[in-house]
Parts: sequence; structure tokens; C-alpha cells
Amino acid sequence: GAGVSQSPSNKVTEKGKDVELRCDPISGHTALYWYRQSLGQGLEFLIYFQGNSAPDKSGLPSDRFSAERTGGSVSTLTIQRTQQEDSAVYLCASSPRARWYGYTFGSGTRLTVV
Amino acid sequence: DAKTTQPNSMESNEEEPVHLPCNHSTISGTDYIHWYRQLPSQGPEYVIHGLTSNVNNRMASLAIAEDRKSSTLILHRATLRDAAVYYCILYGNQFYFGTGTSLTVIP
Repeated sequence: GAGVSQSPSNKVTEKGKDVELRCDPISGHTALYWYRQSLGQGLEFLIYFQGNSAPDKSGLPSDRFSAERTGGSVSTLTIQRTQQEDSAVYLCASSPRARWYGYTFGSGTRLTVV
Repeated sequence: DAKTTQPNSMESNEEEPVHLPCNHSTISGTDYIHWYRQLPSQGPEYVIHGLTSNVNNRMASLAIAEDRKSSTLILHRATLRDAAVYYCILYGNQFYFGTGTSLTVIP
């Protein structure tokens, strides 16, 4: 596709359930970021993938959060045993390379934990 | 990673130029300066970025101080569609967003 695609666009889940959020970056983009944005707040860094390097997981808020990137393309963010404080918009961004290119963001997945 | 400081909010009249400042006194020599904006209910959108020299594109201009400790995003003629939160980001090894500047454009 022409842009970064995220699915689902909206997800309502019950507290304690696991959820998977998907990000399809632009083809050929080697760098991929996940952020989350709570209502009225700024973007909180979660995890960063760059090519075949080990991901930077320093932003993941707890061990309930994990992410993988298969074949250097699609990425999945998994949240286990969801809590109400996990409710937020989860945004994915990709870039051809680090630093000297801009990032393209997806429209995000709005997660609501009830 | 280096931090950026931006005013929380600014106002501009429609069709006037807007200068959005950003301070980044701890910038390192290899950090790129990126600007993004986020319209309501949308993901952030790339605006412009640079390293040392001033940069121009169809959306905006980026003026970088000679010592690189500050930069200014310039919107040459603000429109109502430019109302957004503007983020200044230093891109070294990480790509962290600060709190940004909320720009209000007055008709």
C-alpha cells in the first residue's frame, strides 16, 4: 500500500483479555516504531525495530507488552491480560532508514479496555 | 537522549506567518532535527527535518541556529488547516516526542 496500515482501527476488549495489534509498514522501510497516546497526552515510545538488529524494547511499560516483526516487514504488538490503563491509541510509524528520512505514521488503533 | 523545549501553545492569525520555536541545548553533533504535526484525531504527520543548514519544502521552512541549540519552524501563511500540535524532535538513536506546541489559527 501507499502508507502505513494499522489494524484493527478500533478494538474494545474486556479487562484481562489478550489483544494483538498489527502494523503493515511501507514496503522497503527498515525502521519501525510503536508509540501509544493516551487521551489528550503526547506520544509515548514503546519499541523500535531497525532492520535485523535486536529491537529496542526500553519503552515497553511492563512484561505484559511484547512486539515482534516478522521478515522485517509486518509487526504485531501484543498486550496480555489487558488493564484499563492500557486504553489508548497505539500508533505505528516506519521509515526507509534512520535519521535522514522522515517517518510515516499509520492512523492508529484505538484500544478501549472495559 | 537530548530533550527539546517548546511553548505549550501559540496563536496566529490566518494568512500570517507563524514562527514556532524549539530549544535543544543538549543536541549532539549527529542529531537530526525533525518536525511533525498532529491534527485532531489523526496520527502525526511529517513536516520537515534538517541537520545543520536551513531547509525548505512545500509545507514549511526550518531555520536552524548556527550553534544548533535552537530551531524555528516557519509556516509562511497560516491556514485554518494548520491548526495542530507541532512536535520538535531530536533524532539520534531514539525518536522521542515531547509535549509539542498547540497552534491555534484565528480566522
